[in-house]
Amino acid sequence: ETGVTQSPTHLIKTRGQQVTLRCSSQSGHNTVSWYQQALGQGPQFIFQYYREEENGRGNFPPRFSGLQFPNYSSELNVNALELDDSALYLCASSLGGRTYNEQFFGPGTRLTVL
Amino acid sequence: AQRVTQPEKLLSVFKGAPVELKCNYSYSGSPELFWYVQYSRQRLQLLLRHISRESIKGFTADLNKGETSFHLKKPFAQEEDSAMYYCALSAYTGTASKLTFGTGTRLQVTL
Repeated sequence: ETGVTQSPTHLIKTRGQQVTLRCSSQSGHNTVSWYQQALGQGPQFIFQYYREEENGRGNFPPRFSGLQFPNYSSELNVNALELDDSALYLCASSLGGRTYNEQFFGPGTRLTVL
Repeated sequence: AQRVTQPEKLLSVFKGAPVELKCNYSYSGSPELFWYVQYSRQRLQLLLRHISRESIKGFTADLNKGETSFHLKKPFAQEEDSAMYYCALSAYTGTASKLTFGTGTRLQVTL
């Protein structure tokens, strides 16, 4: 059984550019949640994907979008990057359903926007 | 809307001293509370959840609905407890189960 992996580990972009971050879920998990963690803050929920559909979203603008693939891996896309998008982006996988199931976190991707 | 507050950014204690990491929440529904921990150079991981009522690595946390608190406690701190601790609340939105985190408390255990 492999854990949650994320790529890349870190990257640097400039304002206005677009970025794609990737996440491979833990074996057997069908749900991926994405979180943004700014410096000195706790993770903030961006959205969640369950069986390839977005099924919940936090307070983030539409330029934050995502995808989930048939193998349950996921992408987070951010368009028109802003300086405030600089953060650690975490993905977490879990078994979906109506009750809370433990979310297993990846190591994160550190995004720096200049 | 749900909110989690951790009032201390840093808590420094001596080895063997008791530890209490504070967490308060606001949520209109029935809360499900968790403590997550992040050790140096490791990923965020679940420490304990209130419904399991377990003691993990000597830590316990009791949900106090009257005071809307979920403080994390350990009677005798160990050096290996030094880490970042996040309190989190699970809110089911009707479709997704999302976690709302506090800002975290860094626990520093010194000799």
